[in-house]
Amino acid sequence: NAGVTQTPKFRVLKTGQSMTLLCAQDMNHEYMYWYRQDPGMGLRLIHYSVGEGTTAKGEVPDGYNVSRLKKQNFLLGLESAAPSQTSVYFCASKSGGNQPQHFGDGTRLSIL
Amino acid sequence: GQNIDQPTEMTATEGAIVQINCTYQTSGFNGLFWYQQHAGEAPTFLSYNVLDGLEEKGRFSSFLSRSKGYSYLLLKELQMKDSASYLCAAPFTGTASKLTFGTGTRLQVTL
Repeated sequence: NAGVTQTPKFRVLKTGQSMTLLCAQDMNHEYMYWYRQDPGMGLRLIHYSVGEGTTAKGEVPDGYNVSRLKKQNFLLGLESAAPSQTSVYFCASKSGGNQPQHFGDGTRLSIL
Repeated sequence: GQNIDQPTEMTATEGAIVQINCTYQTSGFNGLFWYQQHAGEAPTFLSYNVLDGLEEKGRFSSFLSRSKGYSYLLLKELQMKDSASYLCAAPFTGTASKLTFGTGTRLQVTL
């Protein structure tokens, strides 16, 4: 059981480039989340989804877009990368209600 | 979101007991989570409290006081592998759909 899988694991971009981070879960979870984690700031919610075809903004959505076309996949896009988006990005999913979130291993993104 | 406070760093000795505190806003409360995160790895779920009192799970226990907006994670018989960050998380006010995470408490276990 793979759980939550994030690709890629590492990436270096130049300012202005675009890219998409992929999150896939095989637990049939309804809810999916994208976070960024920066030193001293903890995990901050970027966008989330409560089901296939739905998305919603979190605490820090600016500069990011998301899509949830299939239940098992949640994509995070950076249209024009900026150095301030250098971070570790975590995807998570949960089945619903007060169930715990399960996290992927993270994507380490550097923007030069 | 939520205002969650927890200490930034703690140090404890192998074999000892350590208590990591967390305070949060009480309005619209809907449970409190603890996660463990080793350096360079993903957070992993430790415990969830929705009722007052202590819940024990092996060497780890978690306590909640809803009226005081206070929780703690108790780690007994500390081992070197317990060196990690411990994240406290509570649902956004009024919804269980999303969590606010504290900045985490980095625990260093020494010999």
